[in-house]
Amino acid sequence: NAGVTQTPKFQVLKTGQSMTLQCAQDMNHEYMSWYRQDPGMGLRLIHYSVGAGITDQGEVPNGYNVSRSTTEDFPLRLLSAAPSQTSVYFCASSLTHRVVEQFFGPGTRLTVL
Amino acid sequence: GQQLNQSPQSMFIQEGEDVSMNCTSSSIFNTWLWYKQDPGEGPVLLIALYKAGELTSNGRLTAQFGITRKDSFLNISASIPSDVGIYFCAGQSPNDYKLSFGAGTTVTVRA
Repeated sequence: NAGVTQTPKFQVLKTGQSMTLQCAQDMNHEYMSWYRQDPGMGLRLIHYSVGAGITDQGEVPNGYNVSRSTTEDFPLRLLSAAPSQTSVYFCASSLTHRVVEQFFGPGTRLTVL
Repeated sequence: GQQLNQSPQSMFIQEGEDVSMNCTSSSIFNTWLWYKQDPGEGPVLLIALYKAGELTSNGRLTAQFGITRKDSFLNISASIPSDVGIYFCAGQSPNDYKLSFGAGTTVTVRA
């Protein structure tokens, strides 16, 4: 049981490049979410999904896309990276959206030059 | 999301000391959570509180859900070096079940 896994661990992009951050969980959790963590700020919700085929925007969704074709996977796409997207990104999951205990992945540290 | 005020922002503590941190909100929450994040890792859940007034312990950690439902505190007793890290509070809104996070308290232990 690997829990929540994220790849890559580190990534450097140039402004305007695109990339996908991968997130997978093997706990059969319905709810998955993406957060970004910036210095001096709490985790901020980017997008979330309450189940396969359903996604919704969080607090800071601009510049990011998500999809949820399977229960296990919840990739985050940056279509045209900007320096303001330099951050540490965490994926999290919980059994359902009503279950508050979320399990976090190890994070992806992204730098946009 | 809701704005959570977590304090202190950072603390240096002596090994063996008891420490305390707290979190306040302008809105009520139906659940409070406390997470710890080690360097280079994701947050790990320490304690979850589900009812106003609830006091819950996990080893040397004790947390309480404030009576007003707008605050929570976390105590660490007899600090040890592995207590180093960033501690986050989080509250779940009763309206949309989303979590709002505090900015974190960075704990450094002097041996």
